[in-house]
Amino acid sequence: EDQVTQSPEALRLQEGESSSLNCSYTVSGLRGLFWYRQDPGKGPEFLFTLYSAGEEKEKERLKATLTKKESFLHITAPKPEDSATYLCAVQVAYKLSFGAGTTVTVRA
Amino acid sequence: DAGVIQSPRHEVTEMGQEVTLRCKPISGHNSLFWYRQTMMRGLELLIYFNNNVPIDDSGMPEDRFSAKMPNASFSTLKIQPSEPRDSAVYFCASSSHLANTEAFFGQGTRLTVV
Repeated sequence: EDQVTQSPEALRLQEGESSSLNCSYTVSGLRGLFWYRQDPGKGPEFLFTLYSAGEEKEKERLKATLTKKESFLHITAPKPEDSATYLCAVQVAYKLSFGAGTTVTVRA
Repeated sequence: DAGVIQSPRHEVTEMGQEVTLRCKPISGHNSLFWYRQTMMRGLELLIYFNNNVPIDDSGMPEDRFSAKMPNASFSTLKIQPSEPRDSAVYFCASSSHLANTEAFFGQGTRLTVV
């Protein structure tokens, strides 16, 4: 069965304190790995798609990387507005399977 | 574009009642997904459509759940009869192509069954 595990469950950071979130996966036939951001009371918002090991994508203070077994979302010098739950998902065939998410809180 | 539009945003209903959730996908998108999100199980795919045709409904929990997409701009998810364990946030998402799962999500419908 396809599995997606995110760690840590929660992360509290001081503004400017860089850190990384982990998404490890066990799937057959990975077509892509996706990162989404979800704010309270809202739907997930698409951030990145990664398709092959070694690929990297950047957007503002966020950088996503992919290996054969896991993906990392690096947050560089975070600001309070980066506080959210970050979800990763793996695509197998036409389905997205989501991890449980990492809730990031950035304090000013 | 206004994005994916879901209605209602909140629904409180009594056990045994029929509930209908509605979704308007982004214009031009031909794939539509229904998800359910709970604290215990996270985001789960219930069903998805391509060109208005249901492709995979294996995630639908029981026969009490049904979904339709009568045209490219409208879909419904119906629960009949509803039960307290159906309480969750239901999301609709759409994408421009089934193989492109850069899906855009709606704001969700928070369903509470009492």
